[in-house]
Amino acid sequence: DAKTTQPTSMDCAEGRAANLPCNHSTISGNEYVYWYRQIHSQGPQYIIHGLKNNETNEMASLIITEDRKSSTLILPHATLRDTAVYYCIVRAVYNQGGKLIFGQGTELSVKP
Amino acid sequence: NAGVMQNPRHLVRRRGQEARLRCSPMKGHSHVYWYRQLPEEGLKFMVYLQKENIIDESGMPKERFSAEFPKEGPSILRIQQVVRGDSAAYFCAGRAGTEAFFGQGTRLTVV
Repeated sequence: DAKTTQPTSMDCAEGRAANLPCNHSTISGNEYVYWYRQIHSQGPQYIIHGLKNNETNEMASLIITEDRKSSTLILPHATLRDTAVYYCIVRAVYNQGGKLIFGQGTELSVKP
Repeated sequence: NAGVMQNPRHLVRRRGQEARLRCSPMKGHSHVYWYRQLPEEGLKFMVYLQKENIIDESGMPKERFSAEFPKEGPSILRIQQVVRGDSAAYFCAGRAGTEAFFGQGTRLTVV
């Protein structure tokens, strides 16, 4: 599975959009991009995943660049409860049974 | 976290005792993963099981740790003769399709 690079930390004002970037320049055509978050010591929470098209659900939007070498997770209206560590993970389509490898993630602080 | 149940939520064991951690994934989720998170560290994969089979145990310590996921009942992570270094949060995740859903974890404290 391809390696990902994320900023260590980010701040966001409450009510504003939080845009969390992820670089995955070595991604191959059969690899999905997944996003999870972990809110202070709780279990990781699935947010969204995509292959090449942009995706949106009730939690967030995932924008994947045309060359698929990077993506951005967008929380449209961040709240204090969105303060968490956000993980961007790449995993092969054929390896759906494989483990998720968590990196260091981005620590997002939403401030009032 | 979507109905993945882990128990107990907190477990205290003395050095040398055994710890048993249970994970009941959502109904229909036949794949289970266990992760460990040491204090102030990231999530580390331990083992991946499918009903009655261990698929990938590359992250399991070679001694004292074992895992099972029987045909009936929860998945069990067993740690024998616990040591202080085993103190951590242990998370399990269940999967049926492409997404894995995590439980709230068991916090093991070895005293």
